[in-house]
Amino acid sequence: GDSVTQMEGPVTLSEEAFLTINCTYTATGYPSLFWYVQYPGEGLQLLLKATKADDKGSNKGFEATYRKETTSFHLEKGSVQVSDSAVYFCALSDPNYGQNFVFGPGTRLSVLP
Amino acid sequence: SAVISQKPSRDICQRGTSLTIQCQVDSQVTMMFWYRQQPGQSLTLIATANQGSEATYESGFVIDKFPISRPNLTFSTLTVSNMSPEDSSIYLCSVDPTGNADTQYFGPGTRLTVL
Repeated sequence: GDSVTQMEGPVTLSEEAFLTINCTYTATGYPSLFWYVQYPGEGLQLLLKATKADDKGSNKGFEATYRKETTSFHLEKGSVQVSDSAVYFCALSDPNYGQNFVFGPGTRLSVLP
Repeated sequence: SAVISQKPSRDICQRGTSLTIQCQVDSQVTMMFWYRQQPGQSLTLIATANQGSEATYESGFVIDKFPISRPNLTFSTLTVSNMSPEDSSIYLCSVDPTGNADTQYFGPGTRLTVL
């Protein structure tokens, strides 16, 4: 079945450091890919998405590029802020699975001032 | 997009009791989903709730334990029945406004603690 793998957390960075959170996926079809963010005590918010190969999703300084050849969708940000501290979930939506989403385990990011 | 609210935001319950969680959307949507997020874990889909039909449950989840109602296109409830401490989790509802598996939008979640 479909699956999503993310780098182990927690990730701790200093403010203004470069962020990469790795995400790879396994899917039978051609999925759409997503990054969601969960701030402490809150639900999930859509951060960005890409629906086909080579698409780049971007939002709030975060970027991720859909790489079909490496089945990856790594999240990057050039300069993190303390307010970016949260849990980040990579997810996919595979048309072969109907409308169901598959979520990765999440990566906790802590940014220190 | 869609704006989703959930009630209650949190609750502490005694073992053996039941809790009903409400999910309200600001627009009409066909597909609503209920997820469980156990402490420190990712999301697990409990069921898909479409208006006008029975909810579809994922493996490991049964209707007797998690009955779901979907009376209209903007509202759904999930009941956690005969609770045990293992049911302590965050329960989230989400919607897919387009119905095309394009994007899901999530409510803020209900944090449940069972003593």
